[in-house]
Amino acid sequence: AQSVAQPEDQVNVAEGNPLTVKCTYSVSGNPYLFWYVQYPNRGLQFLLKYITGDNLVKGSYGFEAEFNKSQTSFHLKKPSALVSDSALYFCAVRDRTGGYNKLIFGAGTRLAVHP
Amino acid sequence: GAVVSQHPSRVICKSGTSVKIECRSLDFQATTMFWYRQFPKKSLMLMATSNEGSKATYEQGVEKDKFLINHASLTLSTLTVTSAHPEDSSFYICSPAKANTEAFFGQGTRLTVV
Repeated sequence: AQSVAQPEDQVNVAEGNPLTVKCTYSVSGNPYLFWYVQYPNRGLQFLLKYITGDNLVKGSYGFEAEFNKSQTSFHLKKPSALVSDSALYFCAVRDRTGGYNKLIFGAGTRLAVHP
Repeated sequence: GAVVSQHPSRVICKSGTSVKIECRSLDFQATTMFWYRQFPKKSLMLMATSNEGSKATYEQGVEKDKFLINHASLTLSTLTVTSAHPEDSSFYICSPAKANTEAFFGQGTRLTVV
């Protein structure tokens, strides 16, 4: 079965410090991986994706993620956190049984950036 | 990108009434629409997949008679919560499928049943 795990319910970081939000996956074959961000009472906004190619993927708002096949991980990173980055972050993998765009989401990680 | 409009953003209804949520893909035609439900502080759970002109496919445990999905056109899908009860209170999000790109989502609908 395909799955995505986000082991941390919440990540706290001081503004200006680097941040990492962890994600590991379990799929058969090559994964299509995504990161989305959700602000309160809003839908999900796309941050970045890994389909193929370079393992380091750069996305919106200064975020990046590194695909690590041996560790089956796709951690989200940002060199310098902003208070405005505080939100709920979801890692997702494409569900191969459901055609394109059908996603399986991790549980979500709440990022809190403190001034 | 893609422009997705979901309406209403917030609705409060009385127990026993029905609520309709609309999802429109404004700049592309979506033959497939995914409907998700999100419980407080929880992840998104896929409820059903609708296909234009045919019956929706519901995930295990989702009552198809309670959550009616209509996908009558390539730009509009609706989710109707029938005979709503407080336990149906949740955040509902649509996602029209667009080929060869990442998924896009509506703004979500916060349903509160009192």
